[in-house]
Amino acid sequence: DSGVTQTPKHLITATGQRVTLRCSPRSGDLSVYWYQQSLDQGLQFLIHYYNGEERAKGNILERFSAQQFPDLHSELNLSSLELGDSALYFCASSTGSGGLYGYTFGSGTRLTVV
Amino acid sequence: SQQGEEDPQALSIQEGENATMNCSYKTSINNLQWYRQNSGRGLVHLILIRSNEREKHSGRLRVTLDTSKKSSSLLITASRAADTASYFCATPDNYGQNFVFGPGTRLSVLP
Repeated sequence: DSGVTQTPKHLITATGQRVTLRCSPRSGDLSVYWYQQSLDQGLQFLIHYYNGEERAKGNILERFSAQQFPDLHSELNLSSLELGDSALYFCASSTGSGGLYGYTFGSGTRLTVV
Repeated sequence: SQQGEEDPQALSIQEGENATMNCSYKTSINNLQWYRQNSGRGLVHLILIRSNEREKHSGRLRVTLDTSKKSSSLLITASRAADTASYFCATPDNYGQNFVFGPGTRLSVLP
C-alpha cells in the first residue's frame, strides 16, 4: 500500500457518460498529480494541484476537469466520454510542488468506455 | 513535451544476469528519477538522483547520471524474475513544475 488511495479501481461506462475518479493523497502530501496511461500514448500528465490550487495543466482535454478539496483529496471528472478515453488513470502525490520531489503513485483506476 | 526517452524499448535476460537501461533527455535538469511499474499497477519510485550527483545506489540498483551527455542509466544487478516490469525515467518539464515520463523499458527476466 503506497498510501495514495484511488477509487474506484475499475469503471466500465458507456460513451457520452460522465464519471468521477477520486484520489486521496499520502498523509502529509500537499501536491496531487493526475496522469493518463494508454498503450499508444504512454504516461501523459494531465493536471497538478498543490494545497487546493491548480498549479499546472498538461494534455488535459476540455471535457476533463479536476479539483482538490480542503481535505486535500482530489477528483478528476471526465465527461462526454469517448472510446479513446479508455485508459488507466493514475493519481500521484508528493510533499511539495515542482520537479524536486519523488512521486507516490496510487494503484490507478482502469476506465473502460464501451 | 517528452523530455526523457529510455533505451532499449524492451530487454529480455536470464535470472542472475545484470540489466542496464538508459535514459536520454534534452534540456538541463536538476534531478532525474527512475520508477518501476508492474503490469497494470501503479508506478513505484526507485531512485532520485540530483544533477550534482554522478552515481547513486539502492540495494541491487545503481543509477548514474552524466549531465554532459544528458543521459542516465539504471543497472539492476543479479536480476530476479520479480524484477520483470517496465522501468521509466522521469525528468522535470521545461518549467520545472512536473515530471515527464519516457515511454519506458520493458524488462523481462526469465527463470
